Amino acid sequence: QKEVEQDPGPLSVPEGAIVSLNCTYSNSAFQYFMWYRQYSRKGPELLMYTYSSGNKEDGRFTAQVDKSSKYISLFIRDSQPSDSATYLCAMSKGSNYQLIWGAGTKLIIKP
Amino acid sequence: DGGITQSPKYLFRKEGQNVTLSCEQNLNHDAMYWYRQDPGQGLRLIYYSQIVNDFQKGDIAEGYSVSREKKESFPLTVTSAQKNPTAFYLCASRSAGPLTDTQYFGPGTRLTVL
Repeated sequence: QKEVEQDPGPLSVPEGAIVSLNCTYSNSAFQYFMWYRQYSRKGPELLMYTYSSGNKEDGRFTAQVDKSSKYISLFIRDSQPSDSATYLCAMSKGSNYQLIWGAGTKLIIKP
Repeated sequence: DGGITQSPKYLFRKEGQNVTLSCEQNLNHDAMYWYRQDPGQGLRLIYYSQIVNDFQKGDIAEGYSVSREKKESFPLTVTSAQKNPTAFYLCASRSAGPLTDTQYFGPGTRLTVL
């Protein structure tokens, strides 16, 4: 079993819909949680960063961490075609540890 | 402009050849990383370096080599011992600031073995 599980998709939704992307993990020692967005043939870019449990909002994006369930989510409101990309979750136990990555979910927003 | 550059963007290699991928950063980051990405898979760590003149193997180091002679540079050599080198290679560096686990990525190099 992988330490981080992420459905590869593709997930296809109409423009304007609310998108929910998720990762589950098995290691309760993870403290730092990140979401990266990767456009085709480009490097990933950091989208959201969360420490421990709780919610964090940035514009149309909300990151949610539920450590009791070992589950993290990224919500995108009012989705746009420009949001079409692969979304990767990543997490770590701390600054002296490596990031553990999900496989990425391919998201397609249909105009 | 601060950032990470990788070159070349596309690279073609004949079987049996060694090739070197360049990674340069001007972010003054101490830590640098090399990842490999295959279709439908996440990022797999090849090598990482926390400081100049020191580097560690990641999960899939076989067939690869690195050096870290300067803080700004972390080149990756794909040797002929790497059995299946066709992939997208990503270089990253890590901030030592408040977001201490955040890695910043270059644009990637796509390597194809002919």
